[in-house]
Amino acid sequence: AQKITQTQPGMFVQEKEAVTLDCTYDTSDQSYGLFWYKQPSSGEMIFLIYQGSYDEQNATEGRYSLNFQKARKSANLVISASQLGDSAMYFCAMRGTLAAGNKLTFGGGTRVLVKP
Amino acid sequence: DTAVSQTPKYLVTQMGNDKSIKCEQNLGHDTMYWYKQDSKKFLKIMFSYNNKELIINETVPNRFSPKSPDKAHLNLHINSLELGDSAVYFCASSGNTQYFGPGTRLTVL
Repeated sequence: AQKITQTQPGMFVQEKEAVTLDCTYDTSDQSYGLFWYKQPSSGEMIFLIYQGSYDEQNATEGRYSLNFQKARKSANLVISASQLGDSAMYFCAMRGTLAAGNKLTFGGGTRVLVKP
Repeated sequence: DTAVSQTPKYLVTQMGNDKSIKCEQNLGHDTMYWYKQDSKKFLKIMFSYNNKELIINETVPNRFSPKSPDKAHLNLHINSLELGDSAVYFCASSGNTQYFGPGTRLTVL
């Protein structure tokens, strides 16, 4: 069974500073994918970034980067130069195997509040 | 262009009623899903369909019945609604990346 753990229920970050959101995972699969989603107060789930288990380079998308440490089974999200609009819930998720329907297993989320 | 759309966005109904939520994707994906987000924001898979065939049914009560008329649509019908069904329901579709619809907030009174 797959498991995702986000140990930070909530955190404050000063505008323009960087913030790291922790995510650890557990799986017996050799091939898997890791995702981060943002859920603002309006409720939609916004895809941010993806890392494949065989990708050698850490994924980056604009101000988002994923610090992938396979041996430690961690996939932390780094948001650089935080903006007020980054205030939201952030979810880490793992994609299972094709046989399991490629379903996503989610962590409990981290609520981020950016202070001006 | 909306990639994954759901209707309605809000649904308020009485216990015991039957309701449906519709979902459509225009991404050309073969796989679609329903997820439930509870009041504590925890997201959990309910169903997965691949090319109109049910792949995953995660021990969801049989009051919940998904239907996929074609691979671009996955609807969710709920019979005999209970208070505990109140939640946000998300439809999603996936190729390499999984994209979510805007969610349907269901409130059962």
